[in-house]
Amino acid sequence: AQSVSQHNHHVILSEAASLELGCNYSYGGTVNLFWYVQYPGQHLQLLLKYFSGDPLVKGIKGFEAEFIKSKFSFNLRKPSVQWSDTAEYFCAAGSSNTGKLIFGQGTTLQVKP
Amino acid sequence: NAGVTQTPKFQVLKTGQSMTLQCAQDMNHNSMYWYRQDPGMGLRLIYYSASEGTTDKGEVPNGYNVSRLNKREFSLRLESAAPSQTSVYFCASSEAGQGYGYGYTFGSGTRLTVV
Repeated sequence: AQSVSQHNHHVILSEAASLELGCNYSYGGTVNLFWYVQYPGQHLQLLLKYFSGDPLVKGIKGFEAEFIKSKFSFNLRKPSVQWSDTAEYFCAAGSSNTGKLIFGQGTTLQVKP
Repeated sequence: NAGVTQTPKFQVLKTGQSMTLQCAQDMNHNSMYWYRQDPGMGLRLIYYSASEGTTDKGEVPNGYNVSRLNKREFSLRLESAAPSQTSVYFCASSEAGQGYGYGYTFGSGTRLTVV
């Protein structure tokens, strides 16, 4: 069955700390991977995506993610977080054949000033 | 502004009541989706419509029906609301096929409480 699993449910960091959020997927066939962010009270916005090519992808606001096929992982990273990064982060997997996305459970990030 | 518009933003229903959540997009996207978001469970797909005239079940379709009225509009209906349907509902749209790589565009959500 297709699934996406996010390891950390709630992460608390101080400003300037480095961030890594884990994401593992189980998906048959060619998979496309996404990270979305949901700021408090807002809807989901696309942070970055991986389709093919360079496994290290860069997104908005200084975020990046690395696709490791052998580990079925797509972890999100940021070298130095800011208070404004406080949000919920969702990893998602899908294929262009169906257009459907399967989302992980989400990780709530709280950044302390 | 271009995007996905959902109505209403908030709704309280009594058990057994029915209601329809409306969603419209003005980006000429082929595909539209309904998700529910619950704490600790992420977003789960209820129904989707890959193109005008087609609808398919997602992960959690029970208790819901949908209508793809035209290319712009995709509504979600609760025929007999239950407390388990208390959730935040998001509508989304995307291009079909490879175009969906630009990602989904989400609406601002409907917070539904069933008492």
